[in-house]
Amino acid sequence: QVQLQESGPGLVKPSQTLSLTCTVSGGSINSGGYYWSWIRQHPGKGLEWIGYVYYSGSTYYSPSLKSRVTISLDTSKNQFSLKLSSVTAADTAVYYCASFGKYSYGYGPFDYWGQGTLVSVSS
Amino acid sequence: DIQLTQSPSSLSASAGDRVTITCRASQSISNYLNWYQQKPGKAPKLLISAASSLQSGVPSRFSGSRSGTDFTLTISSLQPEDFATYYCQQSYNSLFTFGGGTKVEIK
Repeated sequence: QVQLQESGPGLVKPSQTLSLTCTVSGGSINSGGYYWSWIRQHPGKGLEWIGYVYYSGSTYYSPSLKSRVTISLDTSKNQFSLKLSSVTAADTAVYYCASFGKYSYGYGPFDYWGQGTLVSVSS
Repeated sequence: DIQLTQSPSSLSASAGDRVTITCRASQSISNYLNWYQQKPGKAPKLLISAASSLQSGVPSRFSGSRSGTDFTLTISSLQPEDFATYYCQQSYNSLFTFGGGTKVEIK
């Protein structure tokens, strides 16, 4: 059973870079077929997909965040990370890491999720 | 982007009621529609994938269906533990999008 756990600072100052890590257990981040993703949820609001990374290192980001987002892998630690630059109060949200598979028929659902971590942007 | 419009945004119901939530896609997404349940302070939980495939361990009172670009999540007999917010999500392409959510509250 794959488990994901987010970690990182809960408070970031405006204009700085938000950095979070997702540690994967119960499976290898290096195995093909699974994609590693970040999703956020503003307080009291819906879910927003941020982007994903594949074990090959290839990435794909939401166009609305693409200019500020970097998602990368650390295969030696079985982790993947999120960096969001130039943050403002509008980036205050619960950030989830999640995974999904790609199958012969197409993309699967987000079937594994971390518990989420609240990141507040404030001076 | 593929837009997903969920309705209603909230509803009040009693235990034992039949509840239906609709998700309309802005274009054809075949069956690439998934449903999640989220309780306060928790991560979303996958209930149904590919429009109608019930995930292992999810009670059979949950079901999903599709008619064209309209998708429906039905709870046949609402239980106390079903009071939560429900989201649809499309995986037709990798520019993933979610519906706005439907909050199911106790009447």
